[in-house]
Amino acid sequence: AQSVAQPEDQVNVAEGNPLTVKCTYSVSGNPYLFWYVQYPNRGLQFLLKYITGDNLVKGSYGFEAEFNKSQTSFHLKKPSALVSDSALYFCAVRVFSGSARQLTFGSGTQLTVLP
Amino acid sequence: NAGVTQTPKFQVLKTGQSMTLQCAQDMNHNSMYWYRQDPGMGLRLIYYSASEGTTDKGEVPNGYNVSRLNKREFSLRLESAAPSQTSVYFCASSASSYEQYFGPGTRLTVT
Repeated sequence: AQSVAQPEDQVNVAEGNPLTVKCTYSVSGNPYLFWYVQYPNRGLQFLLKYITGDNLVKGSYGFEAEFNKSQTSFHLKKPSALVSDSALYFCAVRVFSGSARQLTFGSGTQLTVLP
Repeated sequence: NAGVTQTPKFQVLKTGQSMTLQCAQDMNHNSMYWYRQDPGMGLRLIYYSASEGTTDKGEVPNGYNVSRLNKREFSLRLESAAPSQTSVYFCASSASSYEQYFGPGTRLTVT
């Protein structure tokens, strides 16, 4: 079965420090990977995706993610965290099932950036 | 563009009552989805519609029905609500670029 795992429920980082939110995947074939962010009482917002090409993908709000095939990982990174980055982050993988492109989501990582 | 809109934003039901959650998108997307979000479980797919006129079950379809009314609208119906259906419900849509775009959610409480 195709899946993603987010091993950390909670990540705390000081403002101005680099941040990493981890994601590992298990898929057959080439993975299509995504990161989403959810602010309190809001829907999910798309941040970035990896389909093919460069292993370092740049997205919205200064976030980037590194695709590592040998480690089956797709970690989300930002060089300098802001308090406003505090939110719930979800990794997702596209699965091939039925008649539509479906996404399977990880359980989420709560990021808290401390001032 | 409004993107994906959902109504209502909040709803409280008694066990056994029925209701329909409405979703509409103005991005001309073919595919639409209904998810539920529960603490610590991420998002779980309830039903989806690959295109107008088609619907398919997702991971947790029991207790729900859907209707793809036209290309813009995709509704989710709870025929007989149960406390286990207390959750936050999200509608999403997508085109061929793979990523999905989400509505603001409906917070449902079943007592």
